[in-house]
Amino acid sequence: NAGVMQNPRHLVRRRGQEARLRCSPMKGHSHVYWYRQLPEEGLKFMVYLQKENIIDESGMPKERFSAEFPKEGPSILRIQQVVRGDSAAYFCASSPMDRAAFFGQGTRLTVV
Amino acid sequence: SQQGEEDPQALSIQEGENATMNCSYKTSINNLQWYRQNSGRGLVHLILIRSNEREKHSGRLRVTLDTSKKSSSLLITASRAADTASYFCATDRTIQGAQKLVFGQGTRLTINP
Repeated sequence: NAGVMQNPRHLVRRRGQEARLRCSPMKGHSHVYWYRQLPEEGLKFMVYLQKENIIDESGMPKERFSAEFPKEGPSILRIQQVVRGDSAAYFCASSPMDRAAFFGQGTRLTVV
Repeated sequence: SQQGEEDPQALSIQEGENATMNCSYKTSINNLQWYRQNSGRGLVHLILIRSNEREKHSGRLRVTLDTSKKSSSLLITASRAADTASYFCATDRTIQGAQKLVFGQGTRLTINP
């Protein structure tokens, strides 16, 4: 049973481009969370999804950010028109309900 | 304000000593979890303690939970250089039917050989 898989591990984008981050949850896990981590800081909740549904997006910036978890395929975090302040590590976690969350290795986004 | 505040923010001890990290939170929780993060890596789940539990052990790790004080502690006994990492507590809450893990800022632990 592979762990939570995130790709790419590193992503470099120029200002104004789009960034797409992918997360494949562990087999059997239908809950996916996205977190953002700035350098030397903890993880900040962004969004919680179940298959085809956004349950809680209270941590998502109102503009440029979107997330989806389709019936088939990985969860996608999409950042449009990236700015330097979007540079961070983005972590995905999956879990069955009310259990420990398992994290991927993260995608480190650098906006130049 | 941020749920799950750890203290100290940084801790440096000698190998073989015990390390204690604390976590405080503000609202009711389903459970509380501790994670470790090595520099530049993802988070590794260490231990989960449910709201009706007071203490839990896993190897050299001991976690306590005091729901009346809304606090938890993580004790690492007989520390090793490989324990050097950041440690985060995360509170697991249900908000309007949705489960959310909220993390603190973490404690950066350095074990000196």
